[in-house]
Amino acid sequence: QVQLVQSGAEVKKPGASVKVSCEAFGYTFTAHYIHWVRQAPGQGLEWMGRINPNTGATNYAQKFQGRVIMTRDTSISTVYMELSSLRSDDTALYYCTRGGGDVWGQGTTVSVSS
Amino acid sequence: QSALTQPASVSGSPGQSVTISCTGTNTDVGANDFVSWYQQRPGKAPKLMIYDVSERPAGVSNRFSGSKSGNTASLTISGLQAEDEADYYCNSYATIRTWVFGGGTKLTVL
Repeated sequence: QVQLVQSGAEVKKPGASVKVSCEAFGYTFTAHYIHWVRQAPGQGLEWMGRINPNTGATNYAQKFQGRVIMTRDTSISTVYMELSSLRSDDTALYYCTRGGGDVWGQGTTVSVSS
Repeated sequence: QSALTQPASVSGSPGQSVTISCTGTNTDVGANDFVSWYQQRPGKAPKLMIYDVSERPAGVSNRFSGSKSGNTASLTISGLQAEDEADYYCNSYATIRTWVFGGGTKLTVL
């Protein structure tokens, strides 16, 4: 069964970093981009960036440039999204999704609070 | 990259049709045919309803259809049903190798 399984909820203090994982099952990991999308409470979807699991090449939204790093480990079919210098407005549900948008992870809640 | 423009809300009665617009620019919606639409119910992950402007994934009802003219894409839902009540988001690939989403539209079935 094709699915993306994300790591569990995180609680962080302002200024800290968070690293969320997304493990792929049921398809060829290197054949599809993985995108990261976040959704603040009561707000819309916001694209953060994408990674090519085959080459490791990344593209980031301008808003997150310098603060986000996406990586992958092909040996375990997993991609990672690390967001640094966290602020309270980074509190959101973070999703990974396969390149065509047809498969989504369950979401990972990241809460930033002092 | 600015968000695509969607109406905040639309509504319709069961059996009617509704159309949700999504306006971008010539660097995103108007630049390619990679426009998608997602349905999101409360507490759930988005679900792909339309891709490549007008294609439906397997399992999506043919009551959902998509189109595009210039910098504006549209999602039409015909024969409205109570289960269609949800938030809908458009999404486009942009010429600088990024994605951009619309702000979302809340569909209410009266």
